[in-house]
Amino acid sequence: EDKVVQSPLSLVVHEGDTVTLNCSYEVTNFRSLLWYKQEKKAPTFLFMLTSSGIEKKSGRLSSILDKKELSSILNITATQTGDSAIYLCAPLRSGIQGAQKLVFGQGTRLTINP
Amino acid sequence: SAVISQKPSRDICQRGTSLTIQCQVDSQVTMMFWYRQQPGQSLTLIATANQGSEATYESGFVIDKFPISRPNLTFSTLTVSNMSPEDSSIYLCSVGWGTGRDQPQHFGDGTRLSIL
Repeated sequence: EDKVVQSPLSLVVHEGDTVTLNCSYEVTNFRSLLWYKQEKKAPTFLFMLTSSGIEKKSGRLSSILDKKELSSILNITATQTGDSAIYLCAPLRSGIQGAQKLVFGQGTRLTINP
Repeated sequence: SAVISQKPSRDICQRGTSLTIQCQVDSQVTMMFWYRQQPGQSLTLIATANQGSEATYESGFVIDKFPISRPNLTFSTLTVSNMSPEDSSIYLCSVGWGTGRDQPQHFGDGTRLSIL
C-alpha cells in the first residue's frame, strides 16, 4: 500500500525564519513528486520534481528530491505571514492502464507569526 | 495554467438527498479528477473522470454513491448521492495541465459540503 509521511505535522515560527519541511514516500510505479500549498480550499501547485538531486526554486521556496532515500524537502527562506498554510507532498504514480494518480501526504501546517 | 471553475462553492444539505457538483475548465484537458478532503484530513482521490466512458473509481468509492459524468473535454460533474453526515467534506476537481509526460494537477476552488 502506498505511504506518504510528512514531518513535522505542525510548525510555528517567527517571520524571517527559514523552515524545512520533509516528505518521505513508499509508492509503487513512482513517476514524480509534487508539492502544493493549501490556504483555504484549493491546493496551489508549487513544484514537480522528477529527477533526483536537482533543486527547483521559485523565489524564497526551493525543493529537492532524493529518489535513493525516497524523500523530498521543501525549504522556505525569510518566511512571511503569507506563507502560513498547509503544505502537501504528493507523489505521482502510474495507475491502471497508465493513468496517473497523486497520493497525498497528511500535510504540514505552517504558521508564521509576525 | 487552465482556469477551473467549480460550483457550488458550498452547500448545506439534508441527509438522504443528492447534490451535483460541476467542474468547468476553460481549455480542453485530457485528465480530470475528483477528490474528497474530509475535515482535518488530506486529499483522497475518488475517481478519474474519463471523457466518453465510465469513470475509474478508487478503492472504497463506488459509482452508485458518486456517479460522475464527463460529456466533453472541458466539463465534468460529481454527484454525491443519498448523503449522510459522513459525506461532509470538501470536494475538489483537478485537471492535468502541462506539456511534459507527467502533468501537474491543478485544482478548482472546491465545494464545501455540510450534511445535516
